[in-house]
Amino acid sequence: GQQLNQSPQSMFIQEGEDVSMNCTSSSIFNTWLWYKQDPGEGPVLLIALYKAGELTSNGRLTAQFGITRKDSFLNISASIPSDVGIYFCAGPEGAQKLVFGQGTRLTINP
Amino acid sequence: DAGVTQSPTHLIKTRGQQVTLRCSPKSGHDTVSWYQQALGQGPQFIFQYYEEEERQRGNFPDRFSGHQFPNYSSELNVNALLLGDSALYLCASSLGGGSKTDTQYFGPGTRLTVL
Repeated sequence: GQQLNQSPQSMFIQEGEDVSMNCTSSSIFNTWLWYKQDPGEGPVLLIALYKAGELTSNGRLTAQFGITRKDSFLNISASIPSDVGIYFCAGPEGAQKLVFGQGTRLTINP
Repeated sequence: DAGVTQSPTHLIKTRGQQVTLRCSPKSGHDTVSWYQQALGQGPQFIFQYYEEEERQRGNFPDRFSGHQFPNYSSELNVNALLLGDSALYLCASSLGGGSKTDTQYFGPGTRLTVL
């Protein structure tokens, strides 16, 4: 099956800094999804991307669908304490199944 | 509007036992998918239920089975538990048999510990 690799695995930043993370695939995806998971919770969808080259924003979050369709990027501007959590990229394999990356853990120092 | 609910929240079992986890989908949803999330990993797809039938299955052994009821709620059963089955089990609900995977809404999960 398809595999998604996320980098970095973890990030330690100061409050107010911008954050960049990415996700690469061994094969082409037609949709890219970015989720955030807080402790004790399930993943929550942040942004969905449907076209190569697409750039989509959700508040301070911006995500891009790579031109090759094998990668995607998520940026967070002016980080705040509630941005702490694990960020996952995901893509559909077939109609029913979502494939997830291993996650990027974000820690913010106040 | 009720979101996805799962029960129990936590569960401790011993090797060889059997376990049943439960999920109620978001109001208006008719499709339930189950995922296993090991510590430090992303969720792994187990299977999906729509119209009370299993529609697609991930790379999990037959010890993992499920059921969907007429009210769209679902159960995940795991037999002959192994230590490696310790994980967070997530339920995701959607509409229409998974025609759009991006509209899967996840519950808070059930944390299973196998001793």
